[in-house]
Amino acid sequence: AQRVTQPEKLLSVFKGAPVELKCNYSYSGSPELFWYVQYSRQRLQLLLRHISRESIKGFTADLNKGETSFHLKKPFAQEEDSAMYYCARSMNRDDKIIFGKGTRLHILP
Amino acid sequence: GAGVSQSPSNKVTEKGKDVELRCDPISGHTALYWYRQSLGQGLEFLIYFQGNSAPDKSGLPSDRFSAERTGGSVSTLTIQRTQQEDSAVYLCASSLSLAGEYEQYFGPGTRLTVT
Repeated sequence: AQRVTQPEKLLSVFKGAPVELKCNYSYSGSPELFWYVQYSRQRLQLLLRHISRESIKGFTADLNKGETSFHLKKPFAQEEDSAMYYCARSMNRDDKIIFGKGTRLHILP
Repeated sequence: GAGVSQSPSNKVTEKGKDVELRCDPISGHTALYWYRQSLGQGLEFLIYFQGNSAPDKSGLPSDRFSAERTGGSVSTLTIQRTQQEDSAVYLCASSLSLAGEYEQYFGPGTRLTVT
């Protein structure tokens, strides 16, 4: 079965410190991978996807097929990064997205 | 433009009653998804529609759950004989087409509380 694993339910990081939110996926074919974010009192929204290889709000994520990982990273955390982060994947272009259980990122002042 | 809307925003119901949750997707979006978000369980896929048909209903937790979509637009998620474990936030999302290629836009959710 397809699986997306986010091992940390809660991650607390001091402002200015590096952030890494872990995501591992079950291997099957060529997955499409995403990170979605939900800020307090806001809707869930797309943060970035691996195919676009872009940096959004200072965050990047590299697909590592050998380790089947798609960790989300930011070199210097900011207080406004506090939110719930979900890693997600689809099997291919024509399939539903499966979400991980999410990691709550708490940036400490 | 208008985003995905859901109604009601909050629903409190007694155990055993039926509830209907509504989702209005972004105009022109052919794909529509329902998820359930509960504490500790993350985002659980329920069902998705491409147009009016539902190719994948595998996420529906039991036969008390059903969903339909009419006119390629509005969708209704129905839960019959609600149980306390059905309490959660139900999220709807839409995308231009199927998920792998296009971004999903989420609604604000319906918070369902079964007493």
